[in-house]
Amino acid sequence: NAGVMQNPRHLVRRRGQEARLRCSPMKGHSHVYWYRQLPEEGLKFMVYLQKENIIDESGMPKERFSAEFPKEGPSILRIQQVVRGDSAAYFCASSPQQDYEQYFGPGTRLTVT
Amino acid sequence: GENVEQHPSTLSVQEGDSAVIKCTYSDSASNYFPWYKQELGKGPQLIIDIRSNVGEKKDQRIAVTLNKTAKHFSLHITETQPEDSAVYFCAASIRSNYQLIWGAGTKLIIKP
Repeated sequence: NAGVMQNPRHLVRRRGQEARLRCSPMKGHSHVYWYRQLPEEGLKFMVYLQKENIIDESGMPKERFSAEFPKEGPSILRIQQVVRGDSAAYFCASSPQQDYEQYFGPGTRLTVT
Repeated sequence: GENVEQHPSTLSVQEGDSAVIKCTYSDSASNYFPWYKQELGKGPQLIIDIRSNVGEKKDQRIAVTLNKTAKHFSLHITETQPEDSAVYFCAASIRSNYQLIWGAGTKLIIKP
């Protein structure tokens, strides 16, 4: 049973470019959560999605960031016009139902130059 | 706002000794407290959790204790081994049944 998959594992973007991060949840999981982690800090909640629905985006910046989880395919976290402050590790987690017990992917490390 | 404080930030113990990491939380409504282990370059892995209706939970060498009155909980690792070296995070639930507030992490170093 494959775990949560994220790609790419590392992503380098120049300031002003777009970053697209993908997350495929565990088989049978329809709930996806995105988190951001800065160096030597804990994870910060960004957004919670179910298939085709955004349930809670209270942790996501209002501008430049968006997320989706289409009926088919992975969940996507999109960051437009990236700035240096967007450099971080972005983790995706999934669960079979709305729950605290979430299973994490390996993360995407975004570096903005 | 709600927060979780975690101490110490770094902990170095001799192999075979015990390690204790402590967390305090601010939201009295929190009722779920997980602990995660994160190895370099990997995502966090849930190692043990506790809900507010119990005071202690144990799984082999790992145990978690919860004091709801004092709003703190602790992770105990006994008979530490080199593979226990990692960053450990505590977290506490807030507001909903899916959102967690995370501590800043403890880097655990096991000395051979």
